[in-house]
Amino acid sequence: AQSVTQLDSHVSVSEGTPVLLRCNYSSSYSPSLFWYVQHPNKGLQLLLKYTSAATLVKGINGFEAEFKKSETSFHLTKPSAHMSDAAEYFCVVSSPYNTDKLIFGTGTRLQVFP
Amino acid sequence: EAQVTQNPRYLITVTGKKLTVTCSQNMNHEYMSWYRQDPGLGLRQIYYSMNVEVTDKGDVPEGYKVSRKEKRNFPLILESPSPNQTSLYFCASSLSIAGGSDTQYFGPGTRLTVL
Repeated sequence: AQSVTQLDSHVSVSEGTPVLLRCNYSSSYSPSLFWYVQHPNKGLQLLLKYTSAATLVKGINGFEAEFKKSETSFHLTKPSAHMSDAAEYFCVVSSPYNTDKLIFGTGTRLQVFP
Repeated sequence: EAQVTQNPRYLITVTGKKLTVTCSQNMNHEYMSWYRQDPGLGLRQIYYSMNVEVTDKGDVPEGYKVSRKEKRNFPLILESPSPNQTSLYFCASSLSIAGGSDTQYFGPGTRLTVL
């Protein structure tokens, strides 16, 4: 069975400093992994996805994530936070052997201070 | 413009009064899904549909119904809403769920309050 754990419910950073949002997954098979972002009063938008190609995945708005099988992690990073990055971020896992379902993490709210 | 639309965006209703939240996509996607979002719980899947006339339960289907008579539409029906169904609801679609790697496209959300 698949599951996903977002290790921090809230993360606060200053503008211009690095961002790290942590995600650990559990999957019996090689998973597909996603990060989605939800800005206030908006729907979710795909940031990036990993589907068994390159382990370092680059997404939109300068975000990237690295798939580490040995650590079962898929942490989201950005070198320099911008005020517009303030949002809620969801780590999502699916499996090619259970293609009907996506499992969402509980979300990490990112605050960016000037 | 490729999009998923939901209506209404906001709805306040009373216990037991049947309601329908519509969802429509213009991308010819096969897969459509409904989620509810509650604080601290992330998104939980209610129902999904792999194609026309093919629907299945997600993780929290109790109290909800869906139908998929046309490819583009996937309405969510609450036959007898209760206060515990107060939530933010999202419809999503993807080209195909095969391989579990498809990008989901989300609607803007419907905020439902059941008094």
